[in-house]
Amino acid sequence: SQTIHQWPATLVQPVGSPLSLECTVEGTSNPNLYWYRQAAGRGLQLLFYSVGIGQISSEVPQNLSASRPQDRQFILSSKKLLLSDSGFYLCAWSQGYEQYFGPGTRLTVT
Amino acid sequence: KNQVEQSPQSLIILEGKNCTLQCNYTVSPFSNLRWYKQDTGRGPVSLTIMTFSENTKSNGRYTATLDADTKQSSLHITASQLSDSASYICVVSFTGGGNKLTFGTGTQLKVEL
Repeated sequence: SQTIHQWPATLVQPVGSPLSLECTVEGTSNPNLYWYRQAAGRGLQLLFYSVGIGQISSEVPQNLSASRPQDRQFILSSKKLLLSDSGFYLCAWSQGYEQYFGPGTRLTVT
Repeated sequence: KNQVEQSPQSLIILEGKNCTLQCNYTVSPFSNLRWYKQDTGRGPVSLTIMTFSENTKSNGRYTATLDADTKQSSLHITASQLSDSASYICVVSFTGGGNKLTFGTGTQLKVEL
């Protein structure tokens, strides 16, 4: 069966510090991968999606970036965090209609 | 602009009661509509997914309906349980969107004794 992992589960970082969130998927190959952010009281916002290794599409201009160094690994990064980057970050994978979400990372920028 | 609106924003019901959550969307061209359940601090979990040709789908005590003409969907929860307390999110996918989804802001449901 397929599983999706995200880490860390929670993170507190100061403004201006770098960020690296990792997502890995097991039990499938060549999935579509997605990064979402969920701000308090708002719907999930798609940040990036990837249909293959090294292929990244950005949905929202911002100071975040994403990379897919391996088929089942998706990384969300920032060189300098802003207060507005605080939120709940979710990774998801899909093959076909269904999207499956990871457990999420709660990021607080102080 | 593709949008998904849900109502009510929050809801409190007693255990054992039924409830219905609403979703209106303007996504076009429409591909499918999903309902997700999201527990606090967790990732969303899919409850149902319906294409435009389906007008009802059930998953245990959850029944979703879809009216593609009026662009409305509802999620009916029967005989609610304490564990149903969560955010219920309506999500719409549009054709040609690369399986990209438009999310509603969710209905926060609390089931009390």
